[in-house]
Amino acid sequence: QSALTQPPSASGSPGQSVTISCTGTSSDVGGYNYVSWYQQHPGKAPKLMIYEVTKRPSGVPDRFSGSKSGNTASLTVSGLQAEDEADYYCTSYAGSNNFVVFGGGTKLTVL
Amino acid sequence: QLQLQESGPGLVKPSETLSLTCTVSGGSISSSSYYWGWIRQPPGKGLEWIGSIYYSGSTYYNPSLKSRVTISVDTSKNQFSLKLSSVTAADTAVYYCERLNDYHYGMDVWGQGTTVTVSS
Repeated sequence: QSALTQPPSASGSPGQSVTISCTGTSSDVGGYNYVSWYQQHPGKAPKLMIYEVTKRPSGVPDRFSGSKSGNTASLTVSGLQAEDEADYYCTSYAGSNNFVVFGGGTKLTVL
Repeated sequence: QLQLQESGPGLVKPSETLSLTCTVSGGSISSSSYYWGWIRQPPGKGLEWIGSIYYSGSTYYNPSLKSRVTISVDTSKNQFSLKLSSVTAADTAVYYCERLNDYHYGMDVWGQGTTVTVSS
């Protein structure tokens, strides 16, 4: 069982927006602004899409955005495109004992 | 451009020790502000953080694997390594090495992954 809770699936039509949640505790998501999101296509390595809750690495489209409220972080994908279909994982820094914790992943389907 | 490449046996027998190495190219493993670590993904399942190491040797391990895991760094070879002891079929997975930025704890560089199967 993963430390962070994500919905197993999400979906949307091209052009629509979809939001994926990531729920933790005050010891991880709620305690630090160090939530990251990763995109993973089948058979590929994960790719960093969001770090520090809201920041995008160079090259990541601004259709991807992140936010956080309390113990829950969210990833929003706006203007859905076919290539956004992938698995998405959240992580959070969790202090020096647990260091990094993962969510169980969400499969995003573009209808 | 920094690149990571995993290497090691693709098949390990039950009860033996899994050993993998990650070679860093295009940059120095001794750079401050980065941790170097391992992530695994069992077939059809999600990602699991195994552990991370700083170039100085400080380590952090997943509590659920801590008793079986050792991560080490060889700065002279620009490599870091994973050893997982007493493996079972449950350790069958794709193993990724990655770089974690300690300013924001995001994993910004990943290896391509290597499949390790535990079977007799």
